[in-house]
Amino acid sequence: QSALTQPASVSGSPGQSITISCTGTSADVGRYKYVSWYQHHPGEAPKLLIYNVNYRPSGVSHRFSASKSGNTASLTISGLQPEDEANYFCSSYTTRSTWVFGGGTQLTVL
Amino acid sequence: VQLQASGPGLVKPSETLSLTCAISGGSISDDNWWSWVRQPPGKGLEWIGEIYRDGTTNYNPSLKSRVTTSLDTPRNSFSLQLASVTAADTAMYFCAKAITPDAFKIWGRGTLVTVSS
Repeated sequence: QSALTQPASVSGSPGQSITISCTGTSADVGRYKYVSWYQHHPGEAPKLLIYNVNYRPSGVSHRFSASKSGNTASLTISGLQPEDEANYFCSSYTTRSTWVFGGGTQLTVL
Repeated sequence: VQLQASGPGLVKPSETLSLTCAISGGSISDDNWWSWVRQPPGKGLEWIGEIYRDGTTNYNPSLKSRVTTSLDTPRNSFSLQLASVTAADTAMYFCAKAITPDAFKIWGRGTLVTVSS
């Protein structure tokens, strides 16, 4: 499977909302509900933000939400805060019983 | 649960890369998959493979011929071996606890491995 497609970068001002897209195929994102999103600050362990398309693990802020339509999943961060500046990547399980990741999106909080 | 990957930071071309992921706050026998993921410099993440508590494995088809994962129950850890490495295998290597097929629930910080003579 090829990597999932994400924009290389997005930016927003504090308080604003941004959306990051993640486009796959009918063999991964479009096939299953098993799409997840992660936040990664350099030098730290990546953190799970969203699983099964739109479920937040306990402890993750309600400012993070997600959805899916066809082969494209989306992550929305509302009420941007400086600490949201990080790399965000998506992942999906595939029909080959493997995992595929997006290339990652660098979020800059202006 | 916390995970910490460790191993040589420099491996010579054609040799075997060996990494270990130590698990703390949890057990290697927990009901989940233990995974390896890597990220070459400036590139996106690539799934390498996973191993279940009973030793069942799944690997990325593009790496399958060179990858071996194993469990070390007494040391509460799991390991990755990648044979015949080249410069293209230079990457940050992460270990993770996966609730397959839902998500990677817990990640380690990653360890950088450079392949160079």
